[in-house]
Amino acid sequence: DAMVIQNPRYQVTQFGKPVTLSCSQTLNHNVMYWYQQKSSQAPKLLFHYYDKDFNNEADTPDNFQSRRPNTSFCFLDIRSPGLGDAAMYLCATSRNFRQGETQYFGPGTRLLVL
Amino acid sequence: AQTVTQSQPEMSVQEAETVTLSCTYDTSESDYYLFWYKQPPSRQMILVIRQEAYKQQNATENRFSVNFQKAAKSFSLKISDSQLGDAAMYFCAYRTYTGTASKLTFGTGTRLQVTL
Repeated sequence: DAMVIQNPRYQVTQFGKPVTLSCSQTLNHNVMYWYQQKSSQAPKLLFHYYDKDFNNEADTPDNFQSRRPNTSFCFLDIRSPGLGDAAMYLCATSRNFRQGETQYFGPGTRLLVL
Repeated sequence: AQTVTQSQPEMSVQEAETVTLSCTYDTSESDYYLFWYKQPPSRQMILVIRQEAYKQQNATENRFSVNFQKAAKSFSLKISDSQLGDAAMYFCAYRTYTGTASKLTFGTGTRLQVTL
């Protein structure tokens, strides 16, 4: 089945140690999104790609970066994780930016920072 | 900036009964979409239903329907004949589109429990 895959499902890292989360999709969608969801909070958009065009939300910390080497893959890099970065990270895709377009979400990666 | 408010952190419903989850939003735009997403425990978020602001008719998807009140900026979700599989976190979301970017703004969610 076509889907959005996130690996790993759980990631433990140390304070200040760079970590990369990955997302892949078999939907061939143009747009890929990264959301941060802290416990009992709403998902918050960090950034997204339309093809190779990168769009960063104004309040996304500089500590967070992303790469999209091809249509299928997108990575979230956290350069120096702090305790406050512990959260669920959700990847999502959509075909385009048309308003009614559904976003398809992956299962998420739960990041723990020790 | 758009905001989405879900005032019910938790709700409970008996199997086969009907439950309504509330959502209000704030916007100055006239053209937008609203969504309800379901996030089961340890599983991915999936779309339940969507509503275009220009459409007066309330959206319906099988047992799920919305009550969209544009003037009141209210977008509630009604689940009829509740099933155990409906237990999940439900997020209301507002989508904006600027021509070069698109964004979903989520509410804080309502956790729905379904009891026997």
